[in-house]
Amino acid sequence: IAGITQAPTSQILAAGRRMTLRCTQDMRHNAMYWYRQDLGLGLRLIHYSNTAGTTGKGEVPDGYSVSRANTDDFPLTLASAVPSQTSVYFCASSATGSTGAGELFFGEGSRLTVL
Amino acid sequence: GQNIDQPTEMTATEGAIVQINCTYQTSGFNGLFWYQQHAGEAPTFLSYNVLDGLEEKGRFSSFLSRSKGYSYLLLKELQMKDSASYLCAVMDSNYQLIWGAGTKLIIKP
Repeated sequence: IAGITQAPTSQILAAGRRMTLRCTQDMRHNAMYWYRQDLGLGLRLIHYSNTAGTTGKGEVPDGYSVSRANTDDFPLTLASAVPSQTSVYFCASSATGSTGAGELFFGEGSRLTVL
Repeated sequence: GQNIDQPTEMTATEGAIVQINCTYQTSGFNGLFWYQQHAGEAPTFLSYNVLDGLEEKGRFSSFLSRSKGYSYLLLKELQMKDSASYLCAVMDSNYQLIWGAGTKLIIKP
C-alpha cells in the first residue's frame, strides 16, 4: 500500500533553475494539495486541485505552478527557484466532501534547498 | 485575519497526562483537526471535532468549545513514542484548512 509518493525526497538546487516535484497517489482521492512547511510557521497551502482538470491557488502560490492531468498525479513546478523557496514540501490528498476534505493523507515530503 | 495559536513547546514525563491547547480565530468554522507529526516525517490524522464536547480515541482525547474558539488535545499514559509535534488545524467557511505552527511535545523518562 503506497498511499502518496513524492519524489525527490531531497534536492539541492541552484537559484534560477527549474524544478518539478512529483506527487502520485493510489487512493483515487479527488482532491490533492501542495503545502510548504517552514520552521515556526504552520503548513501553508501553495496550490490545490479539487478534481482532475482543475486547480486553484492557495495562500502562497507565487513562483509555483501545478497541473492535474489525471486523478493520480499532481506535480509542482518551480519555474525559476529562489532561496526563499527553501523548505519542506508536502503533497497531500483527501476524499471529497466537507469532513472528508479535512482528513488529509500526506506524502513523506520533499526537502528542497535553493542556493 | 485568520489565526491559530498553540504553545511552541511542552515537556511532560512518561506515564503522565498532558494537555495541548489551541485557540483560533477564523472566517467561519467547519471543524477542527489534530495531526501528529514525528520529526522528519509526514503529519498523520489524529482527531476531528465539529460539535462541542469531548471525543475520545484510546489514549488521546480532543475537546472543542466553538463559543470560546478553543480546543485541546489530551494525551494520557504518555509513552516515549508520543514525542512529536501536534498540529491544530481549523476548516474555515471555504473548507480550507488553516494550520497552527504546531506544539513540539518532549517526553522525558
